[in-house]
Amino acid sequence: DTEVTQTPKHLVMGMTNKKSLKCEQHMGHRAMYWYKQKAKKPPELMFVYSYEKLSINESVPSRFSPECPNSSLLNLHLHALQPEDSALYLCASSQVDLGLMNTEAFFGQGTRLTVV
Amino acid sequence: SQQGEEDPQALSIQEGENATMNCSYKTSINNLQWYRQNSGRGLVHLILIRSNEREKHSGRLRVTLDTSKKSSSLLITASRAADTASYFCATGTASKLTFGTGTRLQVTL
Repeated sequence: DTEVTQTPKHLVMGMTNKKSLKCEQHMGHRAMYWYKQKAKKPPELMFVYSYEKLSINESVPSRFSPECPNSSLLNLHLHALQPEDSALYLCASSQVDLGLMNTEAFFGQGTRLTVV
Repeated sequence: SQQGEEDPQALSIQEGENATMNCSYKTSINNLQWYRQNSGRGLVHLILIRSNEREKHSGRLRVTLDTSKKSSSLLITASRAADTASYFCATGTASKLTFGTGTRLQVTL
């Protein structure tokens, strides 16, 4: 199984709503990531979890709150978002890069988020 | 800021033709990867080339790397309509990939 599964595929939420994005993988990867991608732009890294611990936060606003409950699951909790946060949110996983620097990332299909 | 700049930004070819896209990057690298993204959905890893490699093949894909010029190219031979997608180069480790600006490839019948 080389799949990263993201739910939901589409999400429309109001600026006062609280919602969560979910990501799951069963490849035994101990590194998981959240990326944000605006239209016609490349993905930009938001968060990195390594061995279920947050290792990188790319100065993401606190209205985005990641959570890694176990080695297979990654959540992104959303609260009080702005319309400019509308984007495709991609989850990815990989083996932990132990300095080999030759690991590929496996991406989910993304959640297309619209904030109204 | 983005590590890689890709050109062309968009490329339209007919089925059966070859497609070449280029990536330039700014700092030294240990490897460079290419990913494909269909219709704004998930990215799929295509190929990884190490800094000590100059060329690598995978099926209809050929990737070259010139570390002296800090550039890489992706060649897709005998293109198919199914190759229509955006293609991104990426540098860095899996734990911190930095993507180029991407090339949107359109393959028409």
